[in-house]
Amino acid sequence: QPVLTQSPSASASLGASVKLTCTLSSGHRSYAIAWHQQQPEKGPRYLMKVNGGGSHFKGDGIPDRFSGSSSGAERYLTITSLQSEDEADYYCQTWGTGFVVFGGGTKLTVL
Amino acid sequence: EVQLLESGGGLVQPGGSLRLSCAASGFTFSNYAMSWVRQAPGKGLEWVSAISGSGGSTYYADSVKGRLTISRDNPKNTLYLQVNSLRAEDTAVYYCAKYPIVGANDVFDIWGQGTLVTVSS
Repeated sequence: QPVLTQSPSASASLGASVKLTCTLSSGHRSYAIAWHQQQPEKGPRYLMKVNGGGSHFKGDGIPDRFSGSSSGAERYLTITSLQSEDEADYYCQTWGTGFVVFGGGTKLTVL
Repeated sequence: EVQLLESGGGLVQPGGSLRLSCAASGFTFSNYAMSWVRQAPGKGLEWVSAISGSGGSTYYADSVKGRLTISRDNPKNTLYLQVNSLRAEDTAVYYCAKYPIVGANDVFDIWGQGTLVTVSS
């Protein structure tokens, strides 16, 4: 099964941009991943799927400020024009037949 | 509007059992696989189980295999998780989540708000 690695924390200023990274373990670089956002005291929300070719497929109602990309074993979530409500935990997820794996999550602080 | 509403959580003693429910609305329930994901206090997300749209295929994380049983009642639009032999480490918010396809092999595109299970004497 793949292992997903995320930095525990990130920060950026209000109105700025930030790029979060999710790294697939060796031998699993072709896997697609999903990004989920979890605001404080809320359930997760699906943001998008990012495949190995770099295409991303967003969930309903996800603002254009959110985009995904990839390079090799890395999958990225870029958020532009940061707003206070973007302060949240961000989790990447991958899957296969009979399993689902989450990264450890990145806590994004908007300064 | 697509919604998932979990219930059935609460305080239970070690060794006890609990059945969690997830009521689905706003979509044709039987057309989509479903899953349970839990989150211990202050920790990340942990997948525990999934079930295909028909209910014919079920999957479990190794950490919970043998103690948890996932099931669904499609006419009632409800997903269940039976949790037995509860341990302190099962303390978590339990979320149900929907797949966008009938098989359990894709993203989770809809999440519920969660139900808290606390295992303590």
